[in-house]
Amino acid sequence: GQQLNQSPQSMFIQEGEDVSMNCTSSSIFNTWLWYKQDPGEGPVLLIALYKAGELTSNGRLTAQFGITRKDSFLNISASIPSDVGIYFCAGQLVNDMRFGAGTRLTVKP
Amino acid sequence: SQTIHQWPATLVQPVGSPLSLECTVEGTSNPNLYWYRQAAGRGLQLLFYSVGIGQISSEVPQNLSASRPQDRQFILSSKKLLLSDSGFYLCAWSGGDNLLYEQYFGPGTRLTVT
Repeated sequence: GQQLNQSPQSMFIQEGEDVSMNCTSSSIFNTWLWYKQDPGEGPVLLIALYKAGELTSNGRLTAQFGITRKDSFLNISASIPSDVGIYFCAGQLVNDMRFGAGTRLTVKP
Repeated sequence: SQTIHQWPATLVQPVGSPLSLECTVEGTSNPNLYWYRQAAGRGLQLLFYSVGIGQISSEVPQNLSASRPQDRQFILSSKKLLLSDSGFYLCAWSGGDNLLYEQYFGPGTRLTVT
């Protein structure tokens, strides 16, 4: 089910701008994951976070596991047209994984 | 390396017809397997997951069922489709040789019930 609050729902930005999105929950999680989904395809794992406070980068992407274990953010720096897609956060506790509703990113050249 | 396959890629079925979607994983052993449904423009809804052959857990009561006849094969079925079954169906796996909490998704099946 979807019990994570992901925001914003959508973003329209200019190429080259930085992007920030986040997920919050009333529950704690042991793991936070960020996925990107292109139209008509399955989500692709971008970053996985395993420790509270952890900050991890993957190229132009940076994500952090909130210190309270109830939130996470994803930043994309210097956006490019191929960053277009839907970004999902996911929180995992034992065998229970919850997904956010997604942030739809549009990048204007 | 591990790969996950789903077929068919697209399917158009009339209301009341049966359904069988297949998912297979290669390159890993004893994975956890998952079926999700994604409505247009929405997030992911977990339908079923399996931690082993013949072991199925259902998250949402509905007219769908799942089976795992082999270690790396996961099947989603229905005896009679409803209009509301339309959507994008995604299979995912985790575990095996990888960390349990990272789920990897297949390419999906687009189902349209008419």
